[in-house]
Amino acid sequence: DTAVSQTPKYLVTQMGNDKSIKCEQNLGHDTMYWYKQDSKKFLKIMFSYNNKELIINETVPNRFSPKSPDKAHLNLHINSLELGDSAVYFCASSQEWSTGELFFGEGSRLTVL
Amino acid sequence: QQQVKQSPQSLIVQKGGISIINCAYENTAFDYFPWYQQFPGKGPALLIAIRPDVSEKKEGRFTISFNKSAKQFSLHIMDSQPGDSATYFCAASNGYSTLTFGKGTMLLVSP
Repeated sequence: DTAVSQTPKYLVTQMGNDKSIKCEQNLGHDTMYWYKQDSKKFLKIMFSYNNKELIINETVPNRFSPKSPDKAHLNLHINSLELGDSAVYFCASSQEWSTGELFFGEGSRLTVL
Repeated sequence: QQQVKQSPQSLIVQKGGISIINCAYENTAFDYFPWYQQFPGKGPALLIAIRPDVSEKKEGRFTISFNKSAKQFSLHIMDSQPGDSATYFCAASNGYSTLTFGKGTMLLVSP
């Protein structure tokens, strides 16, 4: 009965590969997010979807493509992985857009070799 | 442009002491100021939050102090415990934007 679950928890891959991270929330929330946390722990928003519609698309390389098949799912696909993509990626959800209270998943640690 | 500045970057406090983390913001439209706590290997989780209509909010050993005129807010952890060792993030938002996070403070409470 995990509220926000993301898979896989760990990915180790070579430069140039493509990978996906999946996220599901069972809280009935309308809004979902992807955050990137770098080695210095800084949390940076990447994307936000509200009712399956893209709301925020920060300055992120277009190698990153989010997809929201329904309100409960938000997946992240990354093409042509680069060393600098190594980070922990967090999925999060909130009941409404900009309510402030985010519920985070446990993160997916991506290591690009 | 970093809209929420957090300090210190790291903090070591003895068990039983008071931990204090400070944040300053620039955008006067912000109206919601939460603090998130993150343990190693876990995602951040909401700890306590305040809105600018009050100057202080207390939940157990955790207190937020808010100074609207100075555009500053702080987290105080009373009687700090080793189990409080974590990374703490302040954040801010308004009704038109998602959360802007500070850069985080790594707190270590020594036994």
